Amino acid sequence: IAGITQAPTSQILAAGRRMTLRCTQDMRHNAMYWYRQDLGLGLRLIHYSNTAGTTGKGEVPDGYSVSRANTDDFPLTLASAVPSQTSVYFCASSDGKRESDTQYFGPGTRLTVL
Amino acid sequence: GQSLEQPSEVTAVEGAIVQINCTYQTSGFYGLSWYQQHDGGAPTFLSYNALDGLEEKGRFSSFLSRSDSYGYLLLQELQMKDSASYFCAGTNAGKSTFGDGTTLTVKP
Repeated sequence: IAGITQAPTSQILAAGRRMTLRCTQDMRHNAMYWYRQDLGLGLRLIHYSNTAGTTGKGEVPDGYSVSRANTDDFPLTLASAVPSQTSVYFCASSDGKRESDTQYFGPGTRLTVL
Repeated sequence: GQSLEQPSEVTAVEGAIVQINCTYQTSGFYGLSWYQQHDGGAPTFLSYNALDGLEEKGRFSSFLSRSDSYGYLLLQELQMKDSASYFCAGTNAGKSTFGDGTTLTVKP
């Protein structure tokens, strides 16, 4: 069982380019999340999905979009990357049935926008 | 909205006990979670408090006081491998808002 996988591991991107970060989980979790973590700071929620077919905005959604076509996959797209989107991006999932449900995090994608 | 405050750094020696505090201002929040993150790694879940009081899990315990908008993570019998960043997070409808983290350095 892999848990949550993310791809790519790292990426250097020119400003203005479009980029999709991939996230796949094999735990059949209902809820999935995308966070960004800037150096020395906590995680900030970008978008989330409580179940397949639904998505919602987090704290910092501008410049990002997501889709949840099925239970396992939750891609994050930067339509036109800007340098302020340089960060480490973590995908997470949880069972989503109770407030106490643990969030399981993927290994992260380190993105640099030049 | 939610905001959570924690100290930026804490240092302790191996074998000691350390407490990492978290104060919060929030509306409609259901519980307080704690996560550990080693340098360059993914956050991993440590504990969750929905009710006031102490939750004990081996060497790690977590406390919540809703009336004081305050919680803490207590780490006992510190080991070198406990050197990491620790984040408190307020949860609401499954979504979490994280503090900026406390870097714990354990010295021999």
